[in-house]
Amino acid sequence: QTVVTQEPSLTVSPGGTVTLTCASSTGAVTSGYYPNWFQQKPGQAPRTLIYSTSNKHSWTPARFSGSLLGGKAALTLSGVLPEDEAEYYCLLYYGGPWVFGGGTKLTVL
Amino acid sequence: EVQLVESGGGLVQPGGSLRLSCAASGFTFSSHEMKWVRQAPGKGLEWVSYISGSSSTIYYADSVKGRFTISRDNAKNSLYLQMSSLRVEDTAVYYCARAGSGWDYWGQGTLVTVSS
Repeated sequence: QTVVTQEPSLTVSPGGTVTLTCASSTGAVTSGYYPNWFQQKPGQAPRTLIYSTSNKHSWTPARFSGSLLGGKAALTLSGVLPEDEAEYYCLLYYGGPWVFGGGTKLTVL
Repeated sequence: EVQLVESGGGLVQPGGSLRLSCAASGFTFSSHEMKWVRQAPGKGLEWVSYISGSSSTIYYADSVKGRFTISRDNAKNSLYLQMSSLRVEDTAVYYCARAGSGWDYWGQGTLVTVSS
């Protein structure tokens, strides 16, 4: 049973910077896992922010960036806005199945 | 404009069946891989199933293998999820999602409730 682990919750001040991480129980996360990052606000469908580690969609705000950090996938928010308060999920590709992380609840306070 | 609209959700008894649909518009449907993802009430996201553009490659999560069947009709720009032998733990909002550049567009979801 493959497990993808995220921080359950993080708090950041408006204007600050925060990094969310995504770890795999199988070992280091590499670009071959094609990490995706999603944002979900209450009552809404998820929205894709980052695909294939660090690529942004046309709708992804510039303050969001993706990377690999210390064997994990990472999502960094720089210059956080109150509207960034949401649940964030990562997704890793395991060659057929995909596995979501449990989500990080980001509070902007 | 890319649109994905799910339908077919509802209340079903344990052991019952249901067929979900996802109507796609605004893009060349046959050129894109599609996926189903679900979210139980108050829980996280769970990948359910994948189908390639030509239907030649299909994958299922272990939790639904043998009970759910994914399919698509490219002539009708539609994606389907046939669910059978439904269990209480299948209760969730079911989303269809497109794979373009990575995962990109999502539908708004349809709620499936399995309860007696």
